[in-house]
Amino acid sequence: KAGVTQTPRYLIKTRGQQVTLSCSPISGHRSVSWYQQTPGQGLQFLFEYFSETQRNKGNFPGRFSGRQFSNSRSEMNVSTLELGDSALYLCASRQDGFGTQYFGPGTRLTVL
Amino acid sequence: GENVEQHPSTLSVQEGDSAVIKCTYSDSASNYFPWYKQELGKGPQLIIDIRSNVGEKKDQRIAVTLNKTAKHFSLHITETQPEDSAVYFCAAGSTSGTYKYIFGTGTRLKVLA
Repeated sequence: KAGVTQTPRYLIKTRGQQVTLSCSPISGHRSVSWYQQTPGQGLQFLFEYFSETQRNKGNFPGRFSGRQFSNSRSEMNVSTLELGDSALYLCASRQDGFGTQYFGPGTRLTVL
Repeated sequence: GENVEQHPSTLSVQEGDSAVIKCTYSDSASNYFPWYKQELGKGPQLIIDIRSNVGEKKDQRIAVTLNKTAKHFSLHITETQPEDSAVYFCAAGSTSGTYKYIFGTGTRLKVLA
């Protein structure tokens, strides 16, 4: 089975721009979660989608949003980028309501 | 709020020695505890997990122990090898309520050859 894939792997943007990141979960997995990873803050939970519905949300501003499609693929959008948004964005999928979570390789976002 | 404390933040051991990483969780509803290993430039990879109905689980050189009363769980790596060098994260989750995972802040393990 193919693992979780994320595209693109690297992105460079400037302040004020917006960005969309994509995640394809493991086949058969209906839950997709997004995390922001920075050296100082560790793994911070952004949100989780399950069967196209946002089920959980972390403590991030409204500039961070996401969605999930009927094939379980998910996108994350960040609008009005700030320097502090520079981070590794990780996507993780799991099969059902609760189960082992598998991570993708991440998208490295740099905001200049 | 819910949180998971992880110690130490960095750990250096000689090759062949054992390494122990400890985590403490706050949410009594937590009943699933995975451990992830993250190598440079990669996403976290699950290495072992334990559910609350089990006190200990082993997989070759890796073991995890859980003390539900004290809300502690630990990762034990024996006979460490240089390829064990990475950042390790613990997490706590629940099969009810929000289904969220709460992650520890990570431990950077260095195995010295």
